[in-house]
Amino acid sequence: GEDVEQSLFLSVREGDSSVINCTYTDSSSTYLYWYKQEPGAGLQLLTYIFSNMDMKQDQRLTVLLNKKDKHLSLRIADTQTGDSAIYFCAVTYALNFGKGTSLLVTP
Amino acid sequence: NAGVTQTPKFQVLKTGQSMTLQCAQDMNHEYMSWYRQDPGMGLRLIHYSVGAGITDQGEVPNGYNVSRSTTEDFPLRLLSAAPSQTSVYFCASSPLSGADGDEQFFGPGTRLTVL
Repeated sequence: GEDVEQSLFLSVREGDSSVINCTYTDSSSTYLYWYKQEPGAGLQLLTYIFSNMDMKQDQRLTVLLNKKDKHLSLRIADTQTGDSAIYFCAVTYALNFGKGTSLLVTP
Repeated sequence: NAGVTQTPKFQVLKTGQSMTLQCAQDMNHEYMSWYRQDPGMGLRLIHYSVGAGITDQGEVPNGYNVSRSTTEDFPLRLLSAAPSQTSVYFCASSPLSGADGDEQFFGPGTRLTVL
């Protein structure tokens, strides 16, 4: 399968910005996705970016895509304790998920 | 719409027992899939289906069977449960429309323990 790599843990203080990074190998993906999983729940689509875009902003979320380096990032501005969750990067019709980054937001 | 529903939410089996995890969606989605989630392993695709009557293997299909007799239902069968199948199982569906971004909609999960 395709390789999708993410760092496993990230800890930030409330009010700071969080940046979650992802690298992938499949360059044919039309869309690249970020999913959020809250404790005890399934995954929910957070945002996605079309492969011909470099950036997408949606309220506190900013997605950056560097196709040359096959690097995707999710920036959460003014991170809140409610943002604590596992964030998954996914490509290729979301068939291929990274292992997920556990974001811990401390007061 | 109820979205993607999974039953049961929790299940404990003994080694060698069989069971079926149920998954249903009411969004008329063509694509359905099963994942297992294990600590430190992320989501791994077990089986998937691109429409009624069509199924295919994912990354970790061994020990699991699936069928897709209707668009709505995609059950996952464990024929002889093993402790290695202790995991949280997620079912997901997608319209596979391409233009809509192919968001996958996930069920709430089934937590399975095999003793």
